[in-house]
Amino acid sequence: LAKTTQPISMDSYEGQEVNITCSHNNIATNDYITWYQQFPSQGPRFIIQGYKTKVTNEVASLFIPADRKSSTLSLPRVSLSDTAVYYCLVGDVSSVGTSGTYKYIFGTGTRLKVLA
Amino acid sequence: DAGVIQSPRHEVTEMGQEVTLRCKPISGHDYLFWYRQTMMRGLELLIYFNNNVPIDDSGMPEDRFSAKMPNASFSTLKIQPSEPRDSAVYFCASTSEVRINEKLFFGSGTQLSVL
Repeated sequence: LAKTTQPISMDSYEGQEVNITCSHNNIATNDYITWYQQFPSQGPRFIIQGYKTKVTNEVASLFIPADRKSSTLSLPRVSLSDTAVYYCLVGDVSSVGTSGTYKYIFGTGTRLKVLA
Repeated sequence: DAGVIQSPRHEVTEMGQEVTLRCKPISGHDYLFWYRQTMMRGLELLIYFNNNVPIDDSGMPEDRFSAKMPNASFSTLKIQPSEPRDSAVYFCASTSEVRINEKLFFGSGTQLSVL
């Protein structure tokens, strides 16, 4: 059973705002929501994390509604260099490892292609 | 810090040969993860270590795969014998605590091609 659901792919044009939504219906009370970004030929890297409402950093914004069953990663004014795969991760009790600690399980991610 | 360092960057080998991938985690990180990425299966967690001890190897596909962490600054992933279906990018990652709110830091990966 998938813990998170994201669109497989999205296309956008340079200068546009891009919103990628992740569904996580089984999110637990103490879970955080984290997004990673993976460029071609590189490993994923952390971009933003939140628990509720809105979080903003120099790269993106993360919007989380009150019920926390989904979250939206917002990339303002994308450029060609934002072409990457974006992964949404949440803490979920079903992914607890044998030692009782969290395992970083990545889903299929959203492949964003920014066009000129 | 130099980040997570993996070697080699690329490896091409023939079916049946032994392959050893290497990883140096970030200093001070107690957890080390090995992942495999393919187009078909995405990013799969193979195994992770805590303080050099394997904690969960449920993702290791077969007995042909083995991983070791002899000390806090070095880990290896070995495939013996290798097969064409093992072709993938193998990533190593490390973190200080395995909590969702702790960042996981990845290396640049090893592109493995088994002919």
